[in-house]
Amino acid sequence: EAEVAQSPRYKITEKSQAVAFWCDPISGHATLYWYRQILGQGPELLVQFQDESVVDDSQLPKDRFSAERLKGVDSTLKIQPAELGDSAMYLCASSPGGAGIQYFGAGTRLSVL
Amino acid sequence: AQSVTQPDIHITVSEGASLELRCNYSYGATPYLFWYVQSPGQGLQLLLKYFSGDTLVQGIKGFEAEFKRSQSSFNLRKPSVHWSDAAEYFCAVARGGATNKLIFGTGTLLAVQP
Repeated sequence: EAEVAQSPRYKITEKSQAVAFWCDPISGHATLYWYRQILGQGPELLVQFQDESVVDDSQLPKDRFSAERLKGVDSTLKIQPAELGDSAMYLCASSPGGAGIQYFGAGTRLSVL
Repeated sequence: AQSVTQPDIHITVSEGASLELRCNYSYGATPYLFWYVQSPGQGLQLLLKYFSGDTLVQGIKGFEAEFKRSQSSFNLRKPSVHWSDAAEYFCAVARGGATNKLIFGTGTLLAVQP
């Protein structure tokens, strides 16, 4: 069964450092999402791509976060500089689009010290 | 604005007992509704979804949910809980069409007693 791949699974960094997360969606899925899940809360959308174009990044803290999906396939989410409040699970999901189901990866757990 | 409320933060049930997890949503039109399950340190797995039609939907692992428009609810049920069902459960709502951002509730953590 096809899965959404994410790496790394865990990342520990110090504040003010740069971090990057990678996501490889299910093959053929045009829509890709990055969610952030703070401990004890539900996931919240950071950015949504349709192919290589950003559809929604209204909740992305653009002063420190960036996301790209250059060839419309895999994607990278970057934080620079990391802050203590960025400690969370970062989940990637993909969907064939429209009202399709979103399939989630296992996530990257970020701890900022 | 769309929102999802899961009023129960933590629920404990005995193995073999029945389960109902509550979910209320706020949305102007008929929403697309989902239940996801998350095991510790893992991503989310879809249990079931409601888009239209029959208001009682069946999902994986023996779960079902009922959409009640009059109550703006989409409660998750299981007749007999297994120890492996211990996890966190999230209700979510989305608009259909090209922008199907999911709005999640805060989750309900389920513990199962032997």
